[in-house]
Amino acid sequence: DTGVSQNPRHKITKRGQNVTFRCDPISEHNRLYWYRQTLGQGPEFLTYFQNEAQLEKSRLLSDRFSAERPKGSFSTLEIQRTEQGDSAMYLCASSFRGSSYNEQFFGPGTRLTVL
Amino acid sequence: EDQVTQSPEALRLQEGESSSLNCSYTVSGLRGLFWYRQDPGKGPEFLFTLYSAGEEKEKERLKATLTKKESFLHITAPKPEDSATYLCAVRGGYGGSQGNLIFGKGTKLSVKP
Repeated sequence: DTGVSQNPRHKITKRGQNVTFRCDPISEHNRLYWYRQTLGQGPEFLTYFQNEAQLEKSRLLSDRFSAERPKGSFSTLEIQRTEQGDSAMYLCASSFRGSSYNEQFFGPGTRLTVL
Repeated sequence: EDQVTQSPEALRLQEGESSSLNCSYTVSGLRGLFWYRQDPGKGPEFLFTLYSAGEEKEKERLKATLTKKESFLHITAPKPEDSATYLCAVRGGYGGSQGNLIFGKGTKLSVKP
């Protein structure tokens, strides 16, 4: 399978715990994006990387959220001290220069439930 | 502020009953309009990119068109397997974000046999 992969697919945690999600982009895609989607809404942008550099962060990305892409390949998204409002689907996408970075291909998402 | 509005929120069709989904957008310098399909519990699946007014793209029973203010996704003779949420997104504008897509809330399409 050469698509974007995300792990875990589901995560249930208690309020106040830390969680970390992983995204593996399509190989040779040097841009990687994180989005958050709640029920009945479209995805909302969180942040994106070009190679290992984090180029943009949304106002939605509070201080409790941190994302890394240390070697320009996979990325992790960590949420510290989770709150019930963090419950959502966290989506990862990747794109490549050949499409002017316009076409973003999404992974299956990680569904987070905070109890 | 860049904005995307999709209508209707939900659409129920009989198999074979053609219809259209609407995506209205406000963006300062459109750098691409995108249609995605999303099945329950899954990530969005890329369908089309449109760049300029008058452009059209087709894929099987789907056809996307673009004007200066809106885009339509036409579904011809739909089948039950076309049931999904269809998302519209824009990328823009000049001097703004280089990375993110701005999505609408989607139209949930149900096609009954």
